[in-house]
Amino acid sequence: KAGVTQTPRYLIKTRGQQVTLSCSPISGHRSVSWYQQTPGQGLQFLFEYFSETQRNKGNFPGRFSGRQFSNSRSEMNVSTLELGDSALYLCASSSTPGLQETQYFGPGTRLLVL
Amino acid sequence: AQSVTQLDSQVPVFEEAPVELRCNYSSSVSVYLFWYVQYPNQGLQLLLKYLSGSTLVKGINGFEAEFNKSQTSFHLRKPSVHISDTAEYFCAVGPTGANNLFFGTGTRLTVIP
Repeated sequence: KAGVTQTPRYLIKTRGQQVTLSCSPISGHRSVSWYQQTPGQGLQFLFEYFSETQRNKGNFPGRFSGRQFSNSRSEMNVSTLELGDSALYLCASSSTPGLQETQYFGPGTRLLVL
Repeated sequence: AQSVTQLDSQVPVFEEAPVELRCNYSSSVSVYLFWYVQYPNQGLQLLLKYLSGSTLVKGINGFEAEFNKSQTSFHLRKPSVHISDTAEYFCAVGPTGANNLFFGTGTRLTVIP
């Protein structure tokens, strides 16, 4: 079974631009979560989607948004990029919501904002 | 609110020696506990998790962890490490009723030949 895939793997943007990252979960998984990883703040939860609905959101500004499609694929969008948005963005999928089910992480998208 | 403290940012250890990576947590609600490993330029891989039951949890690659409720700790151990264990290790907690994880700052394990 293929793992979680994230595209693109690497991205360079300039301040003020916007970016869209994509995550394809493991086949059959319907829950997708997003995390941001930076050297300064570590790993932080962004949001979680299940059945096209956002179930939970972390403490990030409204510039960070996401959505989930009917095939469970998810996208996250960051508008008006700031230098501090440079990070590794990780997506994780599980078969159902709730931490009893193992979350499988993708390799991440590394975003550099110049 | 939940928080996780990984007491050592870096742990060097010789190959075939035992290792313990320490993790303490704080939470006002019931939580599940996890250890993840991250190899360079890769995502996170689950090593083991504690949901309930036996406080000694065995995971992949010979790792185990012990949940100590009174000490609010979840230390990770391996009796004999290999070069391939060199990686970053993250302890995480998650509320039992949610899907979001709170991670520690990570411990970089370096295995020395």
